[in-house]
Amino acid sequence: GAVVSQHPSWVICKSGTSVKIECRSLDFQATTMFWYRQFPKQSLMLMATSNEGSKATYEQGVEKDKFLINHASLTLSTLTVTSAHPEDSSFYICSARDIGSYEQYFGPGTRLTVT
Amino acid sequence: QKEVEQNSGPLSVPEGAIASLNCTYSDRVSQSFFWYRQYSGKSPELIMSIYSNGDKEDGRFTAQLNKASQYVSLLIRDSQPSDSATYLCAVNSAGNTPLVFGKGTRLSVIA
Repeated sequence: GAVVSQHPSWVICKSGTSVKIECRSLDFQATTMFWYRQFPKQSLMLMATSNEGSKATYEQGVEKDKFLINHASLTLSTLTVTSAHPEDSSFYICSARDIGSYEQYFGPGTRLTVT
Repeated sequence: QKEVEQNSGPLSVPEGAIASLNCTYSDRVSQSFFWYRQYSGKSPELIMSIYSNGDKEDGRFTAQLNKASQYVSLLIRDSQPSDSATYLCAVNSAGNTPLVFGKGTRLSVIA
């Protein structure tokens, strides 16, 4: 089946530092990737849609200067949380849409803790 | 506003029974429909996709789609305790627009 990897799976960082999360589709190409955030016992929240070779589209209320997204190739998208603060601590999950089937697969997620 | 509605549950079924999960959507032009399973603390996993009216079976899972009624369902036969999870219904209208997710139904299979 289609596999999406995410790295790192968990990260602890100090307040004010930046963290980069990588999302890769391993066995399919994805022109579109999505970034979600999920707090404990809450629903998935879409942060942004990332299209290969173009600027990401951010959902209302998501700061584009704080959450930098780059979709450099058909298999790689990155999310950088800049100047992280404790309130940014969450479970970040990427998802990639298969060009051929339009099915969307999720990565295993990155648990971010900002101290 | 495109919406996907699911009963939040919890839905409790005994081991070996059929679990029936339901979902309705508001956007009539929706074209693609998906069911995801999410275990606590994990990311969602795609378990079924369906694009045309009728039934689609995969192992113990059957997805049913009725576009006229704007209704999607997922049946899980011979439910196992390992099926206990939150099931998310997701709908796509067209192209590269984001999936619209329901809030999920929590299923509990009792041994």
